[in-house]
Amino acid sequence: DTAVSQTPKYLVTQMGNDKSIKCEQNLGHDTMYWYKQDSKKFLKIMFSYNNKELIINETVPNRFSPKSPDKAHLNLHINSLELGDSAVYFCASSRGGGVRSNEQFFGPGTRLTVL
Amino acid sequence: SQQGEEDPQALSIQEGENATMNCSYKTSINNLQWYRQNSGRGLVHLILIRSNEREKHSGRLRVTLDTSKKSSSLLITASRAADTASYFCAINFGNEKLTFGTGTRLTIIP
Repeated sequence: DTAVSQTPKYLVTQMGNDKSIKCEQNLGHDTMYWYKQDSKKFLKIMFSYNNKELIINETVPNRFSPKSPDKAHLNLHINSLELGDSAVYFCASSRGGGVRSNEQFFGPGTRLTVL
Repeated sequence: SQQGEEDPQALSIQEGENATMNCSYKTSINNLQWYRQNSGRGLVHLILIRSNEREKHSGRLRVTLDTSKKSSSLLITASRAADTASYFCAINFGNEKLTFGTGTRLTIIP
């Protein structure tokens, strides 16, 4: 019954590795997002997809690549992980999109630790 | 920067008291939203207020928006221990995204 789910919840890995985080929403929403929350709790948008189309791509290293196989899923793949990538990554979804930004529903987060 | 600035950064009050936190911004907005984040959890949407609205209520929550002062406040009345969390304002500036504020960490002392 979870509206927005993410896997894994915790991810501990070595520098240089490649890892993926998966997100799924069962709300029927058109738009999905990836956010990064740093150790100071600052939450920053990374990417957004609307109906599988990329609509927001903030200044994020190209080691990060989102993939949306369908509008219910948005995965995040990270290549060549660095220490600075350690953070909590949140997936979110919302109905509609565009300038009528609606409330967003967040997943539980994935805590990534790069050693 | 278009980021919302929240104040205070941290707030501790006794259970039963009211808690007020503020969010200020610098340019015109489409809407402003408030979210709560419990420790180790995702964010939960509380209230959305549009630029042409001045006040909204939801249960013990009251949000005001003053576009002339470019600020919003979130009031939680009759606080409970379960209200302990971080509270974020999130602003839509008329584009496709929300820009989150720096957050207020609220602690309710039983």
